[in-house]
Amino acid sequence: DVKVTQSSRYLVKRTGEKVFLECVQDMDHENMFWYRQDPGLGLRLIYFSYDVKMKEKGDIPEGYSVSREKKERFSLILESASTNQTSMYLCASSSDIIQETQYFGPGTRLLVL
Amino acid sequence: AQSVAQPEDQVNVAEGNPLTVKCTYSVSGNPYLFWYVQYPNRGLQFLLKYITGDNLVKGSYGFEAEFNKSQTSFHLKKPSALVSDSALYFCAVRDFSGGYNKLIFGAGTRLAVHP
Repeated sequence: DVKVTQSSRYLVKRTGEKVFLECVQDMDHENMFWYRQDPGLGLRLIYFSYDVKMKEKGDIPEGYSVSREKKERFSLILESASTNQTSMYLCASSSDIIQETQYFGPGTRLLVL
Repeated sequence: AQSVAQPEDQVNVAEGNPLTVKCTYSVSGNPYLFWYVQYPNRGLQFLLKYITGDNLVKGSYGFEAEFNKSQTSFHLKKPSALVSDSALYFCAVRDFSGGYNKLIFGAGTRLAVHP
């Protein structure tokens, strides 16, 4: 079974702090994704990566950056957390095969005070 | 541009009754369509997908979905709902723009199954 793990289930941070969210997948997938989930808005793509050290902006990249130094690990960074970044963050991975689905981690619920 | 719409924020159904969760899409070319379910405080779990072939697709937990090209719909169905089916359901469509393999998700539909 594919396994996607996220470093924290719940995080509480203060405004202005630098926040790191880590995601690891064990299926040797080329593609990895970071989404945020907010009620009524569904999942919105923040950033994705299609290869090591490669990244592409999604629909809402402002205020975020990412890092992919190893194939299995994709990190989301909030450079200076703000209250409007309080959300559920979901990581996913997929192979390059277009019929294949994305596999999701359990999510990190981030509260910025 | 590719898009997907879930017209209902919430669907209520009695246990044992059939359920339908609606999804419509807009794509250029052939659609690749997916359904996911999210239980409380969990990530998304894959339910089923339509790539090509039979318009009726069967998936996990007794769910199925019907692809209708003329109506550009991909509704999720189950003949007999269970209380444990209560969850948040997302429809998604494959997005190939820019040459990348991504998904576009609908806003989600909350299914509430009452005993």
